[in-house]
Amino acid sequence: QKEVEQNSGPLSVPEGAIASLNCTYSDRGSQSFFWYRQYSGKSPELIMFIYSNGDKEDGRFTAQLNKASQYVSLLIRDSQPSDSATYLCAVGGFGNEKLTFGTGTRLTIIP
Amino acid sequence: GAVVSQHPSWVICKSGTSVKIECRSLDFQATTMFWYRQFPKQSLMLMATSNEGSKATYEQGVEKDKFLINHASLTLSTLTVTSAHPEDSSFYICSARVPSYPGKADTQYFGPGTRLTVL
Repeated sequence: QKEVEQNSGPLSVPEGAIASLNCTYSDRGSQSFFWYRQYSGKSPELIMFIYSNGDKEDGRFTAQLNKASQYVSLLIRDSQPSDSATYLCAVGGFGNEKLTFGTGTRLTIIP
Repeated sequence: GAVVSQHPSWVICKSGTSVKIECRSLDFQATTMFWYRQFPKQSLMLMATSNEGSKATYEQGVEKDKFLINHASLTLSTLTVTSAHPEDSSFYICSARVPSYPGKADTQYFGPGTRLTVL
């Protein structure tokens, strides 16, 4: 059974600092990795995806992938109170395979 | 990104009644949609995969006769909770699959969710 693990948190980070969210996955054949943000009472919102080893940057967000270690992370620079949410890591294989979601990490940015 | 809508956004019903939730892809065609359920402070739970023109695929433990899924067009999937009971009260969220790069998993975009309360 494919598994995606995340630390449930809560993770508290001061405003302006870098928040680092981590995710490990069990299926070595996984090809696609996604980060979603979910505010309380709302549905998940796609932040970014990454396919290749290394870093991918989008504004204040950087996704990092290390397939050898089966590890994917999300860095949020210059954290803002509006970044306070639960962050879901999702992992997939090819095409229309369903994604496997982690349980999410609750992030709180402290003003 | 792709836009997915859901209707209604919230519904309150009496025990024993049926409730239909619609999921629409607004600016793209979705051959596959997914239905999730999420209880308070818990993670997403995939209920079923909805495929246009064919039967839905249900996850283990999900009663297909209770949660009826119909994907009659490329932009609409419906979930009907039949004979709803208080334990069915939850946040139901659909997502639609947008084809991605060859050899990579398709991206899922989520609808805003429907909060169901069964009295």
